[in-house]
This record gives sequence, structure tokens and C-alpha cells, in this order.
Amino acid sequence: GAVVSQHPSRVICKSGTSVKIECRSLDFQATTMFWYRQFPKQSLMLMATSNEGSKATYEQGVEKDKFLINHASLTLSTLTVTSAHPEDSSFYICSATKGTGNTEAFFGQGTRLTVV
Amino acid sequence: AQSVTQLDSHVSVSEGTPVLLRCNYSSSYSPSLFWYVQHPNKGLQLLLKYTSAATLVKGINGFEAEFKKSETSFHLTKPSAHMSDAAEYFCCELGSNSGYALNFGKGTSLLVTP
Repeated sequence: GAVVSQHPSRVICKSGTSVKIECRSLDFQATTMFWYRQFPKQSLMLMATSNEGSKATYEQGVEKDKFLINHASLTLSTLTVTSAHPEDSSFYICSATKGTGNTEAFFGQGTRLTVV
Repeated sequence: AQSVTQLDSHVSVSEGTPVLLRCNYSSSYSPSLFWYVQHPNKGLQLLLKYTSAATLVKGINGFEAEFKKSETSFHLTKPSAHMSDAAEYFCCELGSNSGYALNFGKGTSLLVTP
């Protein structure tokens, strides 16, 4: 199978601090990873697309300086929420695809971020 | 722009009765469509996908969906609901940009009553 592991599953942080979320493809190389945000009772909204070794592509309205994405290897992408505020509290989910032509996305378990 | 519309935000069925979750897409070309299920505070699990092969797609856990181009629909069905099917269901379409990211519908919450 294709497993994507996201860590941590839950995190509580204080306002003004930064939080890093990791997304790992455990048994395949993920050329592309995606980061989504999900507000309570709402759908998933794409935040950014992350390709290994290059800068992430952010969706309109997503602050790239606030949501730092690093995709340093073919199996790891990280999302860092910098200077977090309560309005950043949300469910963040990553997904990964195996490569061009294979469009199936494999999702991580998600990270529940609460900023207090 | 592409969009996916899930026609019902909530669906309630009795255990053992059929499930129908409706989804319409807007693409004018042949889309790649997916149904995912999400249990509370969990990630998403792929139920099934349509990628221009057979129009009736069978997925896991007894779910299936039929691609109807004339109706631009991709409704999800299951003959007999189980309590464990209660979850949030998302219909989505493969985007033409953003490197194959998915465009999600708003989701349908399925409630299964005893």
C-alpha cells in the first residue's frame, strides 16, 4: 500500500509560538505533497502544493510567510505555522501523490492544531 | 473554474436501508472523480475513483458510484447502510492546475440510525 504519516496528530500551542507539522510518505517517494486546511464542519481547502527541492506554490489568500512549507526530500514535507494565533486553530491534512500520471492522493491522518 | 457540488449537507438513513449521496461536477472535459470518507478527527480514506474507464465504479465497503456524463453526476450509493458508515463523505475532482491537487465538494454528513 501507500502510507502517509502525519505528525503530530494533535498539538496545543500558545499564541505567538511556532508549530511544525510533518508529513511523511512511508513506503513510496512522493514527488508532490499537498497541504490542506479544514475548518470545523467544512470542506478541505488547498493551502499549497509542495514539490521536492523547489519552493511551494501557495493558493491565493494563503500567507507564505506564515505557513512555511519545506519539502527537502522525496518522503518528507513540513508545514510550519509561524507566530500562531487562535484563528490558525484548525485541522491540517497533508496528502501525497506518487508521481506524474498516478493521480491517486494518499492522505495523512491530519493534525488538530489548537492555539490558546 | 472547476467545481464540485454535493447536493446534500446532511443525509440520514436507517441501518439496512440504501444510501445515496449526490455529487455533480462542472468540468466540460472528462474528469477524474473521487469519493473519500472521513471519520471524526481522522484523515481521508479513498472509497473509489473514476478515471474514464468503466462508468460504474465499485469501491470499498460495498460502496459504488456511477459516472453519468449526460447529468454531470457521480452519485455514491450503497445498498444497505451500516452503523459504521456514519461519517463525512467528500466528492472531489482532480484539478487541472495546482499539480493534481483535489477540488473538494463541501461534504455530506451521513447519519445512520438504528
